[in-house]
Amino acid sequence: DTEVTQTPKHLVMGMTNKKSLKCEQHMGHRAMYWYKQKAKKPPELMFVYSYEKLSINESVPSRFSPECPNSSLLNLHLHALQPEDSALYLCASSQDGAGSSYEQYFGPGTRLTVT
Amino acid sequence: GQNIDQPTEMTATEGAIVQINCTYQTSGFNGLFWYQQHAGEAPTFLSYNVLDGLEEKGRFSSFLSRSKGYSYLLLKELQMKDSASYLCAVASGGSYIPTFGRGTSLIVHP
Repeated sequence: DTEVTQTPKHLVMGMTNKKSLKCEQHMGHRAMYWYKQKAKKPPELMFVYSYEKLSINESVPSRFSPECPNSSLLNLHLHALQPEDSALYLCASSQDGAGSSYEQYFGPGTRLTVT
Repeated sequence: GQNIDQPTEMTATEGAIVQINCTYQTSGFNGLFWYQQHAGEAPTFLSYNVLDGLEEKGRFSSFLSRSKGYSYLLLKELQMKDSASYLCAVASGGSYIPTFGRGTSLIVHP
């Protein structure tokens, strides 16, 4: 199984809502990532979890809150978002955050629209 | 930080060869990645280069020159399905996590 799954595929939420994005992988990878991608732009790194611990937070606003319940799951909790947060949110995983295997596997993404 | 530069858009003919260039400026280079991303889909890994030279993988090859801060992705026998964005990404500064360039949109026409 070389798949990273993400749910939901699409999400529309108001600025006062609270929602969560979910990501799952069963490849035994120990590093997981959240990226944000706007149209016609490259993915921008938001968070990195390595061995279930948050290792990188790229100065992301606190309205985005990541969580790694176990080595297979990664969540992104959303609260009080702004319309400019509308984007494709990509989850990725790799074998080891320290770099023993560098290839990242990406999930299909969640298309988020904030109204 | 990193400065990654690649052309915004390229067009090519089905069956032809195309070379997508990427230049970068960084310190503590840890490798260069190429990813393919079809519109509305996730990026998929194509190649990773950390040493100078050419790595060949089927119709796709990737080249790296560390001294010149330069890489290219070579696509042979182009097919219509190769129309996609090609992202050059560089890992540096003690990390193996890539920073992505803005991508090159490749359009393959009949």
